[in-house]
Amino acid sequence: SAVISQKPSRDICQRGTSLTIQCQVDSQVTMMFWYRQQPGQSLTLIATANQGSEATYESGFVIDKFPISRPNLTFSTLTVSNMSPEDSSIYLCSAGTGRRGYEQYFGPGTRLTVT
Amino acid sequence: EDQVTQSPEALRLQEGESSSLNCSYTVSGLRGLFWYRQDPGKGPEFLFTLYSAGEEKEKERLKATLTKKESFLHITAPKPEDSATYLCAVQATPGNKLTFGGGTRVLVKP
Repeated sequence: SAVISQKPSRDICQRGTSLTIQCQVDSQVTMMFWYRQQPGQSLTLIATANQGSEATYESGFVIDKFPISRPNLTFSTLTVSNMSPEDSSIYLCSAGTGRRGYEQYFGPGTRLTVT
Repeated sequence: EDQVTQSPEALRLQEGESSSLNCSYTVSGLRGLFWYRQDPGKGPEFLFTLYSAGEEKEKERLKATLTKKESFLHITAPKPEDSATYLCAVQATPGNKLTFGGGTRVLVKP
């Protein structure tokens, strides 16, 4: 398993600004992921954070809006840029670990409210 | 496109009243099926991974089973602390992406 922490745990931001969310894993992991969970909904994958290369984004998510960094095997950041109220969500980081490296453990999430 | 459907959306149980949650899926090639528990305001907590049809896993009052088209999460003699949203997700080959279902909100009343 893996223990994952995220900062900040919550924030209230103004429209048009940007917020960077940090994700720290307690051990080296190959795979790290960023998800969004909109109010009352399930999780949607934003992108896979690749160490040493550009992140891989899912359909509907673009790098200009959600730039991601992965400087090493234990840390990643997600920036939500030029925010609008529609970006109000919980943003979750996960790490792939386990026997086959495919089991994903999640952080506590960052609750973002955009006013 | 991978799809995951969970039913029911919500389940109200009396303490001790056993029940089952369903997760139906369509995927090109299944690497694994995952069950998570999510409490309000928290991230999903890993429960089980099932890799092949016929596989079963247990943890306390929870038991997960897998067939080629669906998975069940059985809750035996639930307690109020089992109240949570239970999420099912599939991971297809190739890659590591998890596709989640909508979840089942379980409320266990004392």
